[in-house]
Amino acid sequence: DAMVIQNPRYQVTQFGKPVTLSCSQTLNHNVMYWYQQKSSQAPKLLFHYYDKDFNNEADTPDNFQSRRPNTSFCFLDIRSPGLGDAAMYLCATSSGTGVYEQYFGPGTRLTVT
Amino acid sequence: QKEVEQNSGPLSVPEGAIASLNCTYSDRGSQSFFWYRQYSGKSPELIMSIYSNGDKEDGRFTAQLNKASQYVSLLIRDSQPSDSATYLCAVEINFGNEKLTFGTGTRLTIIP
Repeated sequence: DAMVIQNPRYQVTQFGKPVTLSCSQTLNHNVMYWYQQKSSQAPKLLFHYYDKDFNNEADTPDNFQSRRPNTSFCFLDIRSPGLGDAAMYLCATSSGTGVYEQYFGPGTRLTVT
Repeated sequence: QKEVEQNSGPLSVPEGAIASLNCTYSDRGSQSFFWYRQYSGKSPELIMSIYSNGDKEDGRFTAQLNKASQYVSLLIRDSQPSDSATYLCAVEINFGNEKLTFGTGTRLTIIP
């Protein structure tokens, strides 16, 4: 089945220790998104790629970076995690062909100690 | 005014009844509207999309769109305990930028 996969599902990191979250997709979609979601809040878009074109949200902290080495994979790097970065990180994809449906992976729960 | 607004709930509905969830949006030019279901601790799951005024039915779910009044709703018929979740309304804001804006969600509880 075509799907969006995120690894790891749970990540514990120490304050200030860099961490990388990964996302892969078999949907062959052009667009990949990274969201941050905290408890009882809406998913907050951090950035997205349309193919190789990177689009950063204006309020995304510089502490968050992303890479998309190919169509299938996308990575979220948190350079120096703070306690406030503890959240669910969601990867989503959409076809990019004018249909805006987004499909989410299972998410990575990040804990910062 | 928030771009996408939903009643946060919680909304409690008896099993077998109709659950009605509402969403309003600010961008009159929006063309695409979605409902996602999110179970506690899980990721959002797309359950309905609607693009034209009127009703769209899929099983026990009906999405309703009224662009003139800038609202979209989701009806769940014959509510089941498994429908207990948070329902997120998502709207394409600023046509063409490939982004969705999400509401904060309505928490729905189906009472057996």
